[in-house]
Amino acid sequence: DAGVTQSPTHLIKTRGQQVTLRCSPKSGHDTVSWYQQALGQGPQFIFQYYEEEERQRGNFPDRFSGHQFPNYSSELNVNALLLGDSALYLCASSNRWGLQETQYFGPGTRLLVL
Amino acid sequence: KNQVEQSPQSLIILEGKNCTLQCNYTVSPFSNLRWYKQDTGRGPVSLTIMTFSENTKSNGRYTATLDADTKQSSLHITASQLSDSASYICVGSNDYKLSFGAGTTVTVRA
Repeated sequence: DAGVTQSPTHLIKTRGQQVTLRCSPKSGHDTVSWYQQALGQGPQFIFQYYEEEERQRGNFPDRFSGHQFPNYSSELNVNALLLGDSALYLCASSNRWGLQETQYFGPGTRLLVL
Repeated sequence: KNQVEQSPQSLIILEGKNCTLQCNYTVSPFSNLRWYKQDTGRGPVSLTIMTFSENTKSNGRYTATLDADTKQSSLHITASQLSDSASYICVGSNDYKLSFGAGTTVTVRA
């Protein structure tokens, strides 16, 4: 039983570019949440997807957008990258909408913006 | 504004010793309090989840306590092992948002 998987593991971009990160949830899970974790900080909630719709959103600008596919996998897109977007991006899955269930985290994608 | 503060920021303990990590939270409305373990370069792994009606929960050598009146939680690690070296993150939750603390970095030395 595969857990949460994310790709790529590492990524280097330059300011102004766009990036797409991918996540496959744990088998049996239908809800995907995305988090940004700066070095030495706790994760910050970006948004959550369920039934292919964004259900909840944290305090992130519109440059951050996402998508969920019929197979429950998800993408995180960041446009017009800034140096401050450098972080570990974590995907977490759970088996229903909302935040009452245990979330299982993937290994993350480390993004470096130069 | 929902906030979660953890202390200490970091600590070093000898293998076999116990330690206790602290968490103060301001989350409204409050639903549950979680502790995660995050190894370097990995995603967080859930250790415990407690609702306001629970005041203690154990997961092996990890024991979490919750005082909903004072809005404090602690995580106690018993008989530490080298593999316990990690960041431990406290998370306050309402129905719609998880608020993460910055974590306590624990280093266990032989």
